[in-house]
Amino acid sequence: NAGVTQTPKFRILKIGQSMTLQCAQDMNHNYMYWYRQDPGMGLKLIYYSVGAGITDKGEVPNGYNVSRSTTEDFPLRLELAAPSQTSVYFCASSSGRDRGGYTFGSGTRLTVV
Amino acid sequence: DQQVKQNSPSLSVQEGRISILNCDYTNSMFDYFLWYKKYPAEGPTFLISISSIKDKNEDGRFTVFLNKSAKHLSLHIVPSQPGDSAVYFCAASSRGQNFVFGPGTRLSVLP
Repeated sequence: NAGVTQTPKFRILKIGQSMTLQCAQDMNHNYMYWYRQDPGMGLKLIYYSVGAGITDKGEVPNGYNVSRSTTEDFPLRLELAAPSQTSVYFCASSSGRDRGGYTFGSGTRLTVV
Repeated sequence: DQQVKQNSPSLSVQEGRISILNCDYTNSMFDYFLWYKKYPAEGPTFLISISSIKDKNEDGRFTVFLNKSAKHLSLHIVPSQPGDSAVYFCAASSRGQNFVFGPGTRLSVLP
């Protein structure tokens, strides 16, 4: 079982560049999430989706966009990267039914210089 | 304003002793709580949960206690093992979705 797969694992971006962080899950989960973790801080929710075609903003959505065209994939797009977006990004999924928590990917470490 | 607080950034415990990790929350609407464990370069993994209808949940060496009146929960690990060394996150939600995470506590279990 692959679970939740995130690519790339590491990336360095220049200010103003754009990129897409990929996230895919093979558990047929309806719910998917993007979090960022800054040093010494908890995970903050960027965007989430409750099913294909449905997305909604989390706590810190500014500077990001998402789409959910399939159940499996939930890419996160950064437009015009800024140093404040330097962080570790985690994608997660859940069935929404078992309340047993989320399955997380291993993270993408992004540095904007 | 942090809704979920873990006031100890780090904790060191001797192998075989008890580890107690604390978590406080401010939102009285939170009714479901999780603990996650995170090793370096990996995503968080689910450890144990507790619903507000309970005050204790146990799973092997891990026990979570919930004090609703104090808005406080704690994770007890007995006995602590070197493999338990990790960052532990407390997370809270209302109705089991869109969890709010604490900043984490780094536990070091010394052999």
